[in-house]
Amino acid sequence: DVVMTQSPLSLPVTLGQPASISCRSSQSLVYSDGNTYLNWFQQRPGQSPRRLIYKVSNRDSGVPDRFSGSGSGTDFTLKISRVEAEDVGVYYCMQGTHWLRWTFGQGTKVEIK
Amino acid sequence: QVQLVQSGAEVKKPGASVKVSCKASGYTFTSYYMHWVRQAPGQGLEWMGIINPSGGSTSYAQKFQGRVTMTRDTSTSTVYMELSSLRSEDTAVYYCAREDSSDWGQGTLVTVSS
Repeated sequence: DVVMTQSPLSLPVTLGQPASISCRSSQSLVYSDGNTYLNWFQQRPGQSPRRLIYKVSNRDSGVPDRFSGSGSGTDFTLKISRVEAEDVGVYYCMQGTHWLRWTFGQGTKVEIK
Repeated sequence: QVQLVQSGAEVKKPGASVKVSCKASGYTFTSYYMHWVRQAPGQGLEWMGIINPSGGSTSYAQKFQGRVTMTRDTSTSTVYMELSSLRSEDTAVYYCAREDSSDWGQGTLVTVSS
């Protein structure tokens, strides 16, 4: 199985400051169709995961533009340009390239300093 | 809009089985595979398996092989996940999620306790 490794696992941030989360996969996530199915999810306490970013850098509908995704191959990053209070939660990367077997990163807990 | 509505919370004794349902609406049920993912208290997301609602074929994570069964009912656009031989470590929230990962159910808490 593809192993997804996130860092850091805990991220205290100051309101209005940027934040960045790294995600590395043990294998390339480039699919045979040329797409890279690397997604980012936000999970607030008591809620289902909500997808923020799909195929590395595409924001889902309704996702604020302070969230951005980048990367290629095996290295990916989620950035929040200016953290707001509502961004508190756990963020997961997930690979869907090997789509019969999703795998997730361990999760990064974002909290306000 | 797409909706995945799951059945309610369950409390089970060790050794019992649980069957969780996920009713889909807002799209063509047979056009998208469905995944099941679980999350133990305070832990991360763990993929359990996938079902093709069209033909009913399944693929399960090695960890759950022999204990999990995923089925579907096309007449009601519902998929099911049954987990048997429950133990305390199976206490978790269980989610269904559509193939493209864009839509998830609200989650079903399964508590295993004697």
